[in-house]
Amino acid sequence: GQNIDQPTEMTATEGAIVQINCTYQTSGFNGLFWYQQHAGEAPTFLSYNVLDGLEEKGRFSSFLSRSKGYSYLLLKELQMKDSASYLCAVMDSNYQLIWGAGTKLIIKP
Amino acid sequence: GAVVSQHPSWVICKSGTSVKIECRSLDFQATTMFWYRQFPKQSLMLMATSNEGSKATYEQGVEKDKFLINHASLTLSTLTVTSAHPEDSSFYICSAREDRRQFFGPGTRLTVL
Repeated sequence: GQNIDQPTEMTATEGAIVQINCTYQTSGFNGLFWYQQHAGEAPTFLSYNVLDGLEEKGRFSSFLSRSKGYSYLLLKELQMKDSASYLCAVMDSNYQLIWGAGTKLIIKP
Repeated sequence: GAVVSQHPSWVICKSGTSVKIECRSLDFQATTMFWYRQFPKQSLMLMATSNEGSKATYEQGVEKDKFLINHASLTLSTLTVTSAHPEDSSFYICSAREDRRQFFGPGTRLTVL
C-alpha cells in the first residue's frame, strides 16, 4: 500500500530552527510536495522536490532522498506566524497526490 | 503561483437543500481539478478527481449521486452537495493542477442546520 509518515506535532521556539521529517512508500514517484495550512484555511504550496538534494527558498528549505524515501522541511528563524500544519504529499505514478496526515507545528515565544 | 478561487467562502443551509460550490482556475487552464473535504482537526480527504469533459472519479465511500461534480471547462469545476444533511457540514476545498503542482482554492465552509 501507499504510505506517508510524518510526526503528528512538533514544538519549537521563536527564532529557532525546526526540521519536519517525512518518509514515504508509494507506487512510483513523480515528486514530493510540502504545503502549509493554517487553521481554518486551505493549504498553500511551499515546495516541490523531484531530484535529490536541497531546495532553498528564503527561510524554508526542502530536502529529498529518493533512495531513502525521505524528505524534510527545514524552517529557519521561526516566527509566530509559522505556527501551522505542514503537509507532506507525494505524487505517485498515476500523478495522484498521496497526502500525509500533517505535522502541527507550535511556535512558542 | 497560480490562483484558484472558490465560491462561496461559506454557506449555511437547511437540511434537505442542495448547495453548489464553484472552483475556478484564474490564470491557468486546469484539465484536472480535485475536491477535498476536511473535518475539524482532521486530514484532507480526497473526495473526487475531476477531469474536464469527462466523468469525475470518486474515492471509495464517496457517494457520486450525493456529491455531483461537473467540470465543464478548463477553468471551472462545480461540486453540488445534494439533499445536504448536518453530517455534510465540513470544509470543502478544491484544487487545480498546473503541470505537476496543485494549487488550492481558499475553501468553502458548509454548515447544514
